[in-house]
Amino acid sequence: GAVVSQHPSWVICKSGTSVKIECRSLDFQATTMFWYRQFPKQSLMLMATSNEGSKATYEQGVEKDKFLINHASLTLSTLTVTSAHPEDSSFYICSTRYWGETGVNNEQFFGPGTRLTVL
Amino acid sequence: GQNIDQPTEMTATEGAIVQINCTYQTSGFNGLFWYQQHAGEAPTFLSYNVLDGLEEKGRFSSFLSRSKGYSYLLLKELQMKDSASYLCAASSMDSSYKLIFGSGTRLLVRP
Repeated sequence: GAVVSQHPSWVICKSGTSVKIECRSLDFQATTMFWYRQFPKQSLMLMATSNEGSKATYEQGVEKDKFLINHASLTLSTLTVTSAHPEDSSFYICSTRYWGETGVNNEQFFGPGTRLTVL
Repeated sequence: GQNIDQPTEMTATEGAIVQINCTYQTSGFNGLFWYQQHAGEAPTFLSYNVLDGLEEKGRFSSFLSRSKGYSYLLLKELQMKDSASYLCAASSMDSSYKLIFGSGTRLLVRP
């Protein structure tokens, strides 16, 4: 399967600062990456779909100016939480879509996640 | 619209069998995934069904009925380490085959 890494694994920041989270596909080229947010004891909520070389597609209710996504290469997508506030504290997870040899299995492989705490 | 429903919590005994159900309504449906997630960790892939029927993989099996919009994950010979959240997710051909996740089922395995 595909290997996805995220950096940092956790971050604590002051309210009003910006935080950048990196998502890398280590062993294949990912034209599409997904960014999720997960609050405690809740499921994953898709924030946006990141497409290499083009603008991200945001889900309804997600502020694109607050959550900046850049997918400048086939192995790297970044999520920047701008002017973070305590309510942005959450577990942020990225995933990449990997097409298996048959082209049928569109499994998503998840990164290990980044826990953001905004004080 | 997009909607995934699964029970919030379940409890079972070590060594027993448990079935976690999931119903879905998804436009452009292209398959049903089950993921396991331990607290504080990322989800890990368990199974994928795109055709009707049962897929068996060791202690875990997953079933899909496309006509009924229904799936279940069957866990046999439960072990304590199986205590986790189990996420049902439907794949949609609309918008880059994104996954629509259910709220997750927290399974507690007791001795």
